[in-house]
Amino acid sequence: GAGVSQTPSNKVTEKGKYVELRCDPISGHTALYWYRQSLGQGPEFLIYFQGTGAADDSGLPNDRFFAVRPEGSVSTLKIQRTERGDSAVYLCASSPTGLAGGRETQYFGPGTRLLVL
Amino acid sequence: AQSVAQPEDQVNVAEGNPLTVKCTYSVSGNPYLFWYVQYPNRGLQFLLKYITGDNLVKGSYGFEAEFNKSQTSFHLKKPSALVSDSALYFCAVGNTGKLIFGQGTTLQVKP
Repeated sequence: GAGVSQTPSNKVTEKGKYVELRCDPISGHTALYWYRQSLGQGPEFLIYFQGTGAADDSGLPNDRFFAVRPEGSVSTLKIQRTERGDSAVYLCASSPTGLAGGRETQYFGPGTRLLVL
Repeated sequence: AQSVAQPEDQVNVAEGNPLTVKCTYSVSGNPYLFWYVQYPNRGLQFLLKYITGDNLVKGSYGFEAEFNKSQTSFHLKKPSALVSDSALYFCAVGNTGKLIFGQGTTLQVKP
């Protein structure tokens, strides 16, 4: 596709529920990244994939958060037993290889706004 | 640890005047520095980056940034601000694949 797409654009859920957020990267991009942006803050890194494998998941806040990318393209961020503190905008980005040690430009999607009631 | 600081929460400038949005960084090794802009309810748009070479980097929409190693700064600049430049600006440092962002600076350009 022309850019990174994310679905849904908005998600409202109740505390304790399970949610899945989807990211479709730019076609041909090997690297995919997830960030979380709380109100009034800069984006915070969660996890990044090179191909199908998670190259760095050091930003996942706890074991309620999990992400997959089974075919090396679309990725799903999964949050179990959601809490009100999980409310944020979840941003996805992609880059061509992810192998340049931080030099590659990351291209961001519009984000999914998650609200946990 | 790598970090980025944007010391100003908000910058106000009149249309047609030059603008500067400040960023300082702390990295070990070579810094890879980025500027992104975020419009309301939109994702981040890449403006420019510094990897190596010329300290003055030119980017999209007439923006440029000056890398200063001695002051560990990477300030974003534009010679003549437009009302449409009003948005939230983020400085970031690239670190082994991930980006570390500053807190953001809101730029308000008034007609």
